[in-house]
Amino acid sequence: SAVISQKPSRDICQRGTSLTIQCQVDSQVTMMFWYRQQPGQSLTLIATANQGSEATYESGFVIDKFPISRPNLTFSTLTVSNMSPEDSSIYLCSVVYRGEQYFGPGTRLTVT
Amino acid sequence: RKEVEQDPGPFNVPEGATVAFNCTYSNSASQSFFWYRQDCRKEPKLLMSVYSSGNEDGRFTAQLNRASQYISLLIRDSKLSDSATYLCVVNLNTGGFKTIFGAGTRLFVKA
Repeated sequence: SAVISQKPSRDICQRGTSLTIQCQVDSQVTMMFWYRQQPGQSLTLIATANQGSEATYESGFVIDKFPISRPNLTFSTLTVSNMSPEDSSIYLCSVVYRGEQYFGPGTRLTVT
Repeated sequence: RKEVEQDPGPFNVPEGATVAFNCTYSNSASQSFFWYRQDCRKEPKLLMSVYSSGNEDGRFTAQLNRASQYISLLIRDSKLSDSATYLCVVNLNTGGFKTIFGAGTRLFVKA
């Protein structure tokens, strides 16, 4: 299995600021994703983090708001920029390893 | 219409009960199917894959009907520890890897 860690596990931020979330995997993986899960909702894919190239964003998500880095096959960051209360959510890193999808423990973000 | 729809919850059942969850998907390009379990304030974890022939893992049985675009999960002899949200997940054959998650069905098993 793949073990994923995320930092920070939670944060409370003021509107207008930015937060960068880190995702570290214990194995090299090609496919890495960032999801958002709002309270009581299911997971929504934000983007696919591509190693060595720009991330691929889903409809409704843009690079200026959610810049992503993927410098190597075990690490990625997601930044939530210019935050508003609507960005309050759990952000999850996910990878596919040997055909199975794994999730990080999530980062619980509250924007005040 | 949502791409993956699940039974509305929550399901409240006594220990030992049998409970069934249903799920339908709208995209005929869907290629693979899964049930994930998500405990409160935790990340989703794979419970089992779902095959056309049906598959069983202990007390859990998953079924897939491609013609009806329907997936089910049956839990027999429910345990308190089965209390969680169960997510129906579909992977699309789009040339890349894209999974669609259902909204989840909450299960409460009570003593």
